[in-house]
Amino acid sequence: GESVGLHLPTLSVQEGDNSIINCAYSNSASDYFIWYKQESGKGPQFIIDIRSNMDKRQGQRVTVLLNKTVKHLSLQIAATQPGDSAVYFCAESMGTYKYIFGTGTRLKVLA
Amino acid sequence: DGGITQSPKYLFRKEGQNVTLSCEQNLNHDAMYWYRQDPGQGLRLIYYSQIVNDFQKGDIAEGYSVSREKKESFPLTVTSAQKNPTAFYLCAVGGVRRGSEAFFGQGTRLTVV
Repeated sequence: GESVGLHLPTLSVQEGDNSIINCAYSNSASDYFIWYKQESGKGPQFIIDIRSNMDKRQGQRVTVLLNKTVKHLSLQIAATQPGDSAVYFCAESMGTYKYIFGTGTRLKVLA
Repeated sequence: DGGITQSPKYLFRKEGQNVTLSCEQNLNHDAMYWYRQDPGQGLRLIYYSQIVNDFQKGDIAEGYSVSREKKESFPLTVTSAQKNPTAFYLCAVGGVRRGSEAFFGQGTRLTVV
């Protein structure tokens, strides 16, 4: 498969535990943020998004937190499952057609 | 995925050869993008198009060319001028509405042989 993420930071969690993946974004003018999941050899999948007028947004088993003061974004995954193993990265946008993507974090779920 | 088709999945290019990567979508989105992904790096924008017959250079456009003759199609040509073309190439589409999510195809892995 695709060797994306060879040198990425890795987060290892036990199956059933909660995972927290962090992202520092670059532009204080960014007003829209997205988390993606990418499995080896595949294209990124949209997980959840949040706009800058919110601090928190919840989806199914996932929660995104936004701290604009320190330009920090986090993705929380509840009850992590083996199928959650992938590279996760954030993206920011200033309400235009252009996005800035982070380098990503590899999540490994331990049985 | 889900209406975005990239082909081929794997592509091999000889030195000095131009190759074209296909991206087709049936999501009726106006904006289309090409990104390059290298190990340990974030996605880098090559070209994007907001509307038919118009496209803009991204951050790493040198050695690449695109066309947007139809809303559904945004092919990327990797020319011989691109000195390090081996990478994973991702096509994405996004809506006209500002700040909407980008949806990605499954990618094309290009290798120079």
